[in-house]
Amino acid sequence: GQNIDQPTEMTATEGAIVQINCTYQTSGFNGLFWYQQHAGEAPTFLSYNVLDGLEEKGRFSSFLSRSKGYSYLLLKELQMKDSASYLCAVRDRDYQLIWGAGTKLIIKP
Amino acid sequence: SQTIHQWPATLVQPVGSPLSLECTVEGTSNPNLYWYRQAAGRGLQLLFYSVGIGQISSEVPQNLSASRPQDRQFILSSKKLLLSDSGFYLCAWSVEVSGSYEQYFGPGTRLTVT
Repeated sequence: GQNIDQPTEMTATEGAIVQINCTYQTSGFNGLFWYQQHAGEAPTFLSYNVLDGLEEKGRFSSFLSRSKGYSYLLLKELQMKDSASYLCAVRDRDYQLIWGAGTKLIIKP
Repeated sequence: SQTIHQWPATLVQPVGSPLSLECTVEGTSNPNLYWYRQAAGRGLQLLFYSVGIGQISSEVPQNLSASRPQDRQFILSSKKLLLSDSGFYLCAWSVEVSGSYEQYFGPGTRLTVT
C-alpha cells in the first residue's frame, strides 16, 4: 500500500527554527509537495521537490532524498502566523497525489 | 490570474436530503479538477478527479457523484446524505507548469449532516 508519515503535532518557539519530517512509501515517485493549511481554511501550496536536494524559498526550505523516501520542511525565524498544519503529499507513478495526515505546528511566544 | 470559487461556504443538511456543491475556475483552460473531503484533524481524501468535460474518475466507492458539465465547472452531488458525509469539502485545480502539477484549492465547503 501507499503511505505517507508525518508527526501529528510539533511545538516550537517564536523566532526559532523547526524541521517537519515526512517519509513516504508509494508506487512510483513523480514529485513531493508541501502545503500549509490554517485552521478552517484551504491548503496553500508551499513547495515542490522532484530532484534530490534543498529548495529554498525565503524563510521556508524543503529537502528531498528519493533514495531514502524522505523529505523535510524547514521553517526559520518562526512567526506566530506560521501556526498551521503542514501537509506532505507525494505524486505517484499514475500522477495521483497521496496525502499525509498533516503536522499541526504550534508556535509559542 | 487564476481563481477558484466554491459555494456555499457552510451547509447544514438533514440525513437523507440531497446535496449539490459547485466549483468554478477562472483564468485557465482545460484544468484538471478535483474534489477532496477532509475529516476533522485528518488528511485529504481524494473523492473524484476530472481531466476534461464529462470525464470523471472516482477514487473511492461512496454515496457521492461528480459531474463536469463545462470545462471550468465541477459539481459534487448526492441523492441522499449520510451522517458520514459530514466534512470539509475542497475543490482544487491543476495544470502543468514546468513539469509540476501543483494543485490550488478553493475556499472549501463545511458540510454538517444532522
